[in-house]
Amino acid sequence: DIQMTQSPSSLSASVGDRVTITCRTSQSVSNFLNWYQQKPGKAPKLLIYAASSLQSGVPSRFSGSGSGTDFTLTISSLQPEDFATYYCQESFNTVTFGPGTKVDIK
Amino acid sequence: EVQLVESGGGLVQPGGSLRLSCAASGFTFSSYAMNWVRQAPGKGLEWVSGISSSGGITHYADSVKGRFTISRDNSKNTLYLQVNSLRAEDTAVYYCARDHGDYGANFDYWGQGALVTVSS
Repeated sequence: DIQMTQSPSSLSASVGDRVTITCRTSQSVSNFLNWYQQKPGKAPKLLIYAASSLQSGVPSRFSGSGSGTDFTLTISSLQPEDFATYYCQESFNTVTFGPGTKVDIK
Repeated sequence: EVQLVESGGGLVQPGGSLRLSCAASGFTFSSYAMNWVRQAPGKGLEWVSGISSSGGITHYADSVKGRFTISRDNSKNTLYLQVNSLRAEDTAVYYCARDHGDYGANFDYWGQGALVTVSS
């Protein structure tokens, strides 16, 4: 099974900050790597698929990069509605989610 | 508008069974693979099971293999998850999710979730 790690597990940031979240996989997943945002009590929302493709309707301040085992989600200028938990997910093998990164207000 | 609406959750005793349903609308259901993803209270996301658009191919997480069965009825635009031999650790919100269909499994639409609580 592919193991997923995310760092940091949580972070505090201010509106306007540039935020970077890292996801690492225990073996190469090529670019079969997706990112989701989840707010409390709500279903997850797909942000990025295939490592760097922006899902329709998602603001361009979100971007993804990486391939193989190391991936990054970047929010270029954090907005109030971006405070949430972010999950990476691989689909190279079966489907595995990362443990999540909680972004809260500094 | 794409909509996924889960039902069938509830309180069940250990060892019991439930059938979750997910009613789909706003898209051609028979063209998309579908999945179930769960989230235990205060925990992260865990993929549970997936099924191909025709229903002919199914996959399960090791944690539920042999106890859960995914199925679909394309004539009724409905996805199902039969959950048997329930354990306390199966307590979670169960989401159905549509597979985007583009470059591996990624889930572009989700339901609101159905809570399953396993307790005596």
